[in-house]
Amino acid sequence: NAGVTQTPKFQVLKTGQSMTLQCAQDMNHEYMSWYRQDPGMGLRLIHYSVGAGITDQGEVPNGYNVSRSTTEDFPLRLLSAAPSQTSVYFCASRSLETEAFFGQGTRLTVV
Amino acid sequence: RKEVEQDPGPFNVPEGATVAFNCTYSNSASQSFFWYRQDCRKEPKLLMSVYSSGNEDGRFTAQLNRASQYISLLIRDSKLSDSATYLCVVNIVTAGSARQLTFGSGTQLTVLP
Repeated sequence: NAGVTQTPKFQVLKTGQSMTLQCAQDMNHEYMSWYRQDPGMGLRLIHYSVGAGITDQGEVPNGYNVSRSTTEDFPLRLLSAAPSQTSVYFCASRSLETEAFFGQGTRLTVV
Repeated sequence: RKEVEQDPGPFNVPEGATVAFNCTYSNSASQSFFWYRQDCRKEPKLLMSVYSSGNEDGRFTAQLNRASQYISLLIRDSKLSDSATYLCVVNIVTAGSARQLTFGSGTQLTVLP
């Protein structure tokens, strides 16, 4: 049972570099979301999607882009990495009224 | 004010103790409620949903008070394996009618031998 697959698990970037965090789910869920989690803080929503072709901003969208070309995939792009983006990133998927299922997380360090 | 607020913790309790976590939410339009568990450096996982009538799953009991916008989680007979961070999660209807899961910052529990 794959569930939500998130890659990579670890990444170190230099300031100004760009990269894409991958997220894929095989549960045919409509909703997909990206969160970041910083020490002592809860999960904060970056971007979300309610279906293929539809995305919207969450609480902390600046510096990130997303797209949802298929139901399965929801990549997160860092346009120009900054040290403030050092965090743990989680992708999640769910149906309309159910709980969310999370990927294993990406630990990103920007130096 | 945060949309979902939890006891800050940390809670350090001996094995076998009963411990309760509280959570309040500010949006009265909130429709569904959950408790998640997050182990150190791992992804959050659903512990249990919270129903209006209250619900129990083994040693865990969740309660919801919509009038007071309050959710609780009770853990009886604590085990060492219960040590984790517990996240209160509320499904909130946003301005665009989308429903977003909003997470509390979590309460850390350590069960001591």
